[in-house]
Amino acid sequence: GNSVTQMEGPVTLSEEAFLTINCTYTATGYPSLFWYVQYPGEGLQLLLKATKADDKGSNKGFEATYRKETTSFHLEKGSVQVSDSAVYFCALKGGSNYKLTFGKGTLLTVNP
Amino acid sequence: GAVVSQHPSWVICKSGTSVKIECRSLDFQATTMFWYRQFPKQSLMLMATSNEGSKATYEQGVEKDKFLINHASLTLSTLTVTSAHPEDSSFYICSARDRVAAGSTEAFFGQGTRLTVV
Repeated sequence: GNSVTQMEGPVTLSEEAFLTINCTYTATGYPSLFWYVQYPGEGLQLLLKATKADDKGSNKGFEATYRKETTSFHLEKGSVQVSDSAVYFCALKGGSNYKLTFGKGTLLTVNP
Repeated sequence: GAVVSQHPSWVICKSGTSVKIECRSLDFQATTMFWYRQFPKQSLMLMATSNEGSKATYEQGVEKDKFLINHASLTLSTLTVTSAHPEDSSFYICSARDRVAAGSTEAFFGQGTRLTVV
């Protein structure tokens, strides 16, 4: 079955530091890949996505590239801000049933 | 963008009572809605898939009689936690897929409902 393995946190950075959160996946076929962000006390918001190999998703300074050869979709941001503090979930959707499989989430705390 | 609204945002109930959580798609029609449960510091676990006008499909290990799902219209799905117990305390999140955007891979999430059973 499908699975997502995500870098365990928590991750604590200083403002303007570089961020990488690793994500690898196992899936049959060609899944779509997503990063979701969950701010404290809120639901999930789609941060970015990629639907095929070598696609790069980007939003709000965050980027992730769909790497089929390494089955990875690592999240990066060049300069984090305090407002980026949240839990980040890597997810995949495989097949036609539209079910999402999530990683365990990574808590990011950015200090001023 | 598409908006999914959950109500209530939080609820406290007594053990043994039932609680209903609503999930509404505000500006689109949702053929399919999904209900997730999130334990503290853990990922989202899919509980069931709700299809408009038909019975929900539950994931393995989820009690159908305890977590009743109704998807009576294209904009509303409800999750009822029956005879709630403290172990049912959790964060419940719904998501919805746009009926019109057939090729879309995106699901839109509600803001979640924090259930505390005392």
